[in-house]
Amino acid sequence: EVQLVESGGGLVQPGGSLRLSCAASGFTFSSYSMNWVRQAPGKGLEWVSYISGTDTMHYADSVKGRFTISRDNAKSSLYLQMNSLRPEDTAVYYCARDGGRMAYAGWFDTWGQGTLVTVSS
Amino acid sequence: DIQMTQSPSSLSASVGDRVTITCRASQSISSYLNWYQQKPGKAPKLLIYGASGLQSGVPSRFSGSGSGTDFTLTISSLQPEDFGTYYCQQSYSSLTFGGGTKVEIK
Repeated sequence: EVQLVESGGGLVQPGGSLRLSCAASGFTFSSYSMNWVRQAPGKGLEWVSYISGTDTMHYADSVKGRFTISRDNAKSSLYLQMNSLRPEDTAVYYCARDGGRMAYAGWFDTWGQGTLVTVSS
Repeated sequence: DIQMTQSPSSLSASVGDRVTITCRASQSISSYLNWYQQKPGKAPKLLIYGASGLQSGVPSRFSGSGSGTDFTLTISSLQPEDFGTYYCQQSYSSLTFGGGTKVEIK
């Protein structure tokens, strides 16, 4: 079974840091690009970051310079290092697999259950 | 940035009704348009990719159409399990979502 499981969320003060992890199983992780997508409480979906199988990275303007995406193909894991956190970063963060195997598709065909990040003093 | 506008923002329909949700892009995105369903407290689920491709395992009552700037998601016969919020998403330039359409069952 294809599965993504996020962890690492929690309560952090403004200006603080947090590292999210996403453990993948049931597929060849290195063959797929991966993404982080977030959803603020009661709001819609917002794409955050993308990383290809060969470590090409892209970021939404709202997080550029503060967040860093990375992956460890040997551990089938995806990460999001979040620095200089702001209250507006409060959201459920989902990891999501790109739908293309060995080629970019641009849609998200598998999602984790999400991990909640709360930025508040 | 490409903006995605969905309409309506919410709707209420009866079981068996034909339901149509519209998504408009601020510029042409060819067929780089995808649709998701999200139920409360759950992760989104891919329904339609590439404007009209039906994701594996998704019931055939769901269909997508359109190209350029105007797209439609249609549920041919609404079922009780189809409640939730539906989002469109473009992948022509970066990745952006529409604001969502909440579907309620009468």
